[in-house]
Amino acid sequence: QSVLTQPPSASGTPGQRVTISCSGSSSNIGTNYVYWYRQLPGTAPRLVIYRNNERPSGVPDRFSGSKSGTSASLAISGPRSEDEADYYCAAWDGSLSAVIFGGGTKLTVL
Amino acid sequence: QLQLQESGPGLVKPSETLSLICAVSGGSISSNLYYWGWIRQPPGKGLEWIGGISYTGNTYYKSSLKSRVTISADTSKNEFSLKLTSMTAADAAVYYCGTGQHLDYFDYWGQGTLVTVSA
Repeated sequence: QSVLTQPPSASGTPGQRVTISCSGSSSNIGTNYVYWYRQLPGTAPRLVIYRNNERPSGVPDRFSGSKSGTSASLAISGPRSEDEADYYCAAWDGSLSAVIFGGGTKLTVL
Repeated sequence: QLQLQESGPGLVKPSETLSLICAVSGGSISSNLYYWGWIRQPPGKGLEWIGGISYTGNTYYKSSLKSRVTISADTSKNEFSLKLTSMTAADAAVYYCGTGQHLDYFDYWGQGTLVTVSA
């Protein structure tokens, strides 16, 4: 079981706003930055959000991140078919002295 | 633009040592801009951080793997490596190398290399 908890699946239509949650604790999300990765089938993960809510260059602005207390969320406004992928949250855990990942959420675009 | 490429055996026998190399191009591993790390993903499962190395040579390992892992850097070849001893079936995974400006994230990844553990 992962230290960061994500729902196993999420879905939405291109006209909706889809949100994926990530729940942690005071030793990880509560005190450190949250990162989000998108992994298309058969490919390496790609960073889509860093430092809670920043977008790397080249990531569409339909992706946004937020953090409150010991939880974080990734939102995708108007998901496209190419956004169908697994999404992972990640953070440094000060108690474990390690990078930890959530279990991943599979996004389906209906 | 940084590019990373993993290389190593695709098949390892149980109890043997896995040795993987990550070749870096488009930047220097001795640059003070980056940390370098290894992540793995068992088939059909999630991501697991193995450890990393800083530009100063400091190493950081996941505690449950610490007794079996060594990450090192070869600045002359601009590459870094992973050694994982006493391999078991539980270590079978796609192994990725990655880099980021801090230890806690990766904004460049290698394509990954599948490692199978079997006699």
